[in-house]
Amino acid sequence: DQQVKQNSPSLSVQEGRISILNCDYTNSMFDYFLWYKKYPAEGPTFLISISSIKDKNEDGRFTVFLNKSAKHLSLHIVPSQPGDSAVYFCAARGLSGSARQLTFGSGTQLTVLP
Amino acid sequence: DAGVIQSPRHEVTEMGQEVTLRCKPISGHDYLFWYRQTMMRGLELLIYFNNNVPIDDSGMPEDRFSAKMPNASFSTLKIQPSEPRDSAVYFCASSTRDRGSGGYTFGSGTRLTVV
Repeated sequence: DQQVKQNSPSLSVQEGRISILNCDYTNSMFDYFLWYKKYPAEGPTFLISISSIKDKNEDGRFTVFLNKSAKHLSLHIVPSQPGDSAVYFCAARGLSGSARQLTFGSGTQLTVLP
Repeated sequence: DAGVIQSPRHEVTEMGQEVTLRCKPISGHDYLFWYRQTMMRGLELLIYFNNNVPIDDSGMPEDRFSAKMPNASFSTLKIQPSEPRDSAVYFCASSTRDRGSGGYTFGSGTRLTVV
């Protein structure tokens, strides 16, 4: 069973507009949620994270929102730029012990059109 | 800091052959993870180590897969015998417990093709 789901495999957005990437999770014991960005032929790189005790975290053009009651998080990119075109992975971290590893979603390919 | 180093970058092998993927984590990181990326399943955890000791290998698909970490600066993932369905990109990542919300540092991956 997939504990972290990204239901949209792809998303296309015009340059300058907002990109919204969504992620759903099933395990209420996750304590941190992270977004990674991956370019072709490279490994994923950490983008932004949010603690389960918060509902918003902002870093420049990137904002992550967490809705714990809905077990849903989203990544907003404003304004979107062509260099943002990449695969975005949502990840969740367990609280302790062997569950502390990250569980990833299947990724969303974002394409920002010039 | 050179980051997490994986080798080789690409591997093409024939079905039935043994394949060994290598990883050098970031110095000082005490966690090492092996992930596999496929179109169908995205990024899935295969196994992870803490202080060179395997902690959870429940993601290893079959007995054909094995992983070792003989010291803090080196890990291998071996597939023997390899099969076409093993074709994927394999990532190694490292981290520290104190890294908190910063997540992992990934290597550039090894693209494995089994023909």
